[in-house]
Amino acid sequence: AQTIHQWPVAEIKAVGSPLSLGCTIKGKSSPNLYWYWQATGGTLQQLFYSITVGQVESVVQLNLSASRPKDDQFILSTEKLLLSHSGFYLCAWSLAGSNQDTQYFGPGTRLLVL
Amino acid sequence: GDSVTQTEGQVALSEEDFLTIHCNYSASGYPALFWYVQYPGEGPQFLFRASRDKEKGSSRGFEATYDKGTTSFHLRKASVQESDSAVYYCALGNMGYKLTFGTGTSLLVDP
Repeated sequence: AQTIHQWPVAEIKAVGSPLSLGCTIKGKSSPNLYWYWQATGGTLQQLFYSITVGQVESVVQLNLSASRPKDDQFILSTEKLLLSHSGFYLCAWSLAGSNQDTQYFGPGTRLLVL
Repeated sequence: GDSVTQTEGQVALSEEDFLTIHCNYSASGYPALFWYVQYPGEGPQFLFRASRDKEKGSSRGFEATYDKGTTSFHLRKASVQESDSAVYYCALGNMGYKLTFGTGTSLLVDP
């Protein structure tokens, strides 16, 4: 069975500091991978998606970047955090080969920027 | 662009009540439609989906029917339980790997 792991579980960071969030998928070969952001009490906003290693597409600009260094790993990062980056970051996966396939979400990372 | 509208921000019911959460969409082509449920502090869980007109999706007693004529995918459950209390999101999947979510509906069920 596939498992999705996100790290860290939660972070408290200072404005202007760097950030790196990670996501690993086990049990699926070459999945499509996604990053979402959710403000407290808000809806989910897709940030990035990747259909293959080394390729990442940006959906919305939030002064964040993403990379896919391995088939099963997706990284979200920034060199300089803003207050507006606070929220809940979710990684998701779907089967390769379809752009309408169901997306399955990980447990999320809660980020507070002070 | 694509959009999803959920008209109810919050719904308060008693156990065994009938639930309806309205979802309407706007999209070109033939999108796939989804319902997700999110419990506090967790990632959204996939409930079910439908991909063509008149197709019914269902899971855990919840159901919705894809209606292309009214561009709707309303979530229904005949008898809610306290454990159904959560936030429910309608979502649309169209071209380009993007999933567009509605604003969510918070369901609170009193025992």
